Amino acid sequence: EAGVAQSPRYKIIEKRQSVAFWCNPISGHATLYWYQQILGQGPKLLIQFQNNGVVDDSQLPKDRFSAERLKGVDSTLKIQPAKLEDSAVYLCASSTADYPYNEQFFGPGTRLTVL
Amino acid sequence: RKEVEQDPGPFNVPEGATVAFNCTYSNSASQSFFWYRQDCRKEPKLLMSVYSSGNEDGRFTAQLNRASQYISLLIRDSKLSDSATYLCVVNFERDDKIIFGKGTRLHILP
Repeated sequence: EAGVAQSPRYKIIEKRQSVAFWCNPISGHATLYWYQQILGQGPKLLIQFQNNGVVDDSQLPKDRFSAERLKGVDSTLKIQPAKLEDSAVYLCASSTADYPYNEQFFGPGTRLTVL
Repeated sequence: RKEVEQDPGPFNVPEGATVAFNCTYSNSASQSFFWYRQDCRKEPKLLMSVYSSGNEDGRFTAQLNRASQYISLLIRDSKLSDSATYLCVVNFERDDKIIFGKGTRLHILP
C-alpha cells in the first residue's frame, strides 16, 4: 500500500516570499492533517480536513497560512508571506474517519528554511 | 494542566535494560491513545495504539490508567535501535481533537 506522499522534500526561501506544499494521502483515508514541527518539539496541528471540509483550523495562522483540499483527496498548504519563524518541518498525515481507530500515517515531511 | 505532557528526557539507558516513561493527559473523556516513534529527521511512525487498559507487542508494552489519566510505555531488553523520540498522542473525544506531546528522547547506550 502506498504511503502518504509529500513534495517538495526541502525548500529554502527568503522571508516575505511565498511557498506551497503538496500532500497526497493514503487512498481511502477521509481525514487529512497538516502539522508544523519545530526542531525539538512535537508536531503542532495546523489544520484537519475530513473529506473536503475543515474540522479544526484553530491553530492555523490565517493571516499568512492557507490550506485547501478541494476534491477531498490531495491537499496544498500555502504560506504567504513567509517569516523566519516559519522554518520547520511541515508534516502531512492521513487517517480513516473511524474514531477511535483513526491512527495517523505520516508523510516524509517538507523541511522549510526561511532566510 | 497542559493537555498532553511528557518528560522530555533524555533518558540514557544501557543496552538490555528496561525503561519506562509516562504521558499524562488532561481530559478524562479521552478515548484513544497512541505511541509514535520518531527518528532524527524522519516522520513519526505509529508504534502502538491503546484503546482499553493496555497493549503489548513484543518488547513493548503500553498501559492506560484512566483513574490517574496517564499512559505509559515500557520497553524491555532495550536495543541500540530503540534510540529515538517517543511521542504520546491523545484523541480527545468531545471535539475529536488530536494532541501530540512534545516527546521523550531515549538514548540506548552500548
